[in-house]
Amino acid sequence: EADIYQTPRYLVIGTGKKITLECSQTMGHDKMYWYQQDPGMELHLIHYSYGVNSTEKGDLSSESTVSRIRTEHFPLTLESARPSHTSQYLCASSAARTNTGELFFGEGSRLTVL
Amino acid sequence: GQSLEQPSEVTAVEGAIVQINCTYQTSGFYGLSWYQQHDGGAPTFLSYNALDGLEETGRFSSFLSRSDSYGYLLLQELQMKDSASYFCVLQTGANNLFFGTGTRLTVIP
Repeated sequence: EADIYQTPRYLVIGTGKKITLECSQTMGHDKMYWYQQDPGMELHLIHYSYGVNSTEKGDLSSESTVSRIRTEHFPLTLESARPSHTSQYLCASSAARTNTGELFFGEGSRLTVL
Repeated sequence: GQSLEQPSEVTAVEGAIVQINCTYQTSGFYGLSWYQQHDGGAPTFLSYNALDGLEETGRFSSFLSRSDSYGYLLLQELQMKDSASYFCVLQTGANNLFFGTGTRLTVIP
């Protein structure tokens, strides 16, 4: 079982609200990622981090921001949520020296913006 | 850029063998991996092929042919719990995993 946790699992909010999706891992992994996945669709990378104080944007443009102040914590923030942000957000981590592309995923945060 | 193609849906009978194919286009990559995702769940890593050939892990095997730009996931002795979506994934960089659109496998009694 992977030790990576996301909260909240489900969130319904109104347009314009600020939200933060939390992600924590206890495996000591340096690399962490945020993916966005619509139902039945592929995963798209929106942010990643090599380690503390490192953050990069992924392939899919996103209005969200991330921070990496501690190794184990990689929160994602939406300053002003819109209905187009409705999706599932998956956090993942990997060991820095992995050569298999193995990511450990959290259970996801399913966001609905009304 | 990259592209991955895999069938959107596959149905197979419990106890049978099923093969999920994946063809890709890319200018270069480190390897091809496979992930399983149950409805509402987290994707979980199944296998990785860096070199051509077959990798076996229990009931699951994965194959890669770089010359044919092709890979597949083979599931043997299918069980009902194998019903899930399966993604082939290109590793094109240290932090770059490109996911296919996924194949939804339904196992029927």
